Amino acid sequence: EVQLLESGGDLVQPGGSLRLSCAASGFTFRNYDMRWVRQAPGMGLEWVSSISYDGYDNYYADSVKGRFTISRDNSKNTLYLQMNSLRAEDTALYYCATKGSSGESFAWGQGTLVTVSS
Amino acid sequence: DIQMTQSPSSVSASVGDRVTITCRASQSISGHLHWYQQRPGQAPKLLIYATSSLQSGVPSRFSGTGSGTDFTLTVSSLQPEDFATYFCQQSQRAPLTFGGGTKVEIK
Repeated sequence: EVQLLESGGDLVQPGGSLRLSCAASGFTFRNYDMRWVRQAPGMGLEWVSSISYDGYDNYYADSVKGRFTISRDNSKNTLYLQMNSLRAEDTALYYCATKGSSGESFAWGQGTLVTVSS
Repeated sequence: DIQMTQSPSSVSASVGDRVTITCRASQSISGHLHWYQQRPGQAPKLLIYATSSLQSGVPSRFSGTGSGTDFTLTVSSLQPEDFATYFCQQSQRAPLTFGGGTKVEIK
C-alpha cells in the first residue's frame, strides 16, 4: 500500500524558516516524480512545487519561487521542502503527492500544518 | 496560467440522486484533466484521471467525460459517503492548476 507521511509543520514567525519532510513507502519512490500541494484553511488546492524522479528537474509556483526549495533523497525514500522567508499567506496544510503517468496525483499524504504568525 | 472554473460551487442533493459537476479550462487541455474527492478533515483522493479513467478502487458510479476545455464528473447514484468537496485539476501545462471546488451537501 502506498503511504506518504508528512512532518515538520509548525507555528513560525513571519520571515522564519521550516523544513518539511515526506516519508514514502509501499512503492518504488525513486521511479516517481513528486509534488507539494498546499491548502489554506477553508480554501482550495494550490500546487507549490514539483521534482523529477531523479531530483534534477525542479519547478515552483511563482508565489514561492526564490523562497522554497524542493529536494529528495532516494536512498531514504524521502521528499523535502525547505521553506524560507515565510509569509502569513504561506499558512496552509501542506500535502506531498505522487505524480502519475497522466499528470495526476494518485497518492497523497495526510498533510502537515504550517502556520505563519507573530 | 490555465484557469480552471468549476460549477456549481455547491450543490444540495439526496441519496440516490444523479449529480453532475462541470469544470471548464481557460484554454484547451486535451484530456489532461483529473478529479479528486476531499472529505472533511481528509486528504484529497484521486477519483478519475485523464478525463475518464477510473482510479483503482473507486466505485463505478463515478464517471468522467469531456475534451478540449469542457469536462464533467458524474455521480450516477449519490451515496452517503459521497458528500464531500470535488476538485478538478489540469496537467496539460505548468503550473498545475485546480478548480475552486464543488461542495456536495445533503439536501
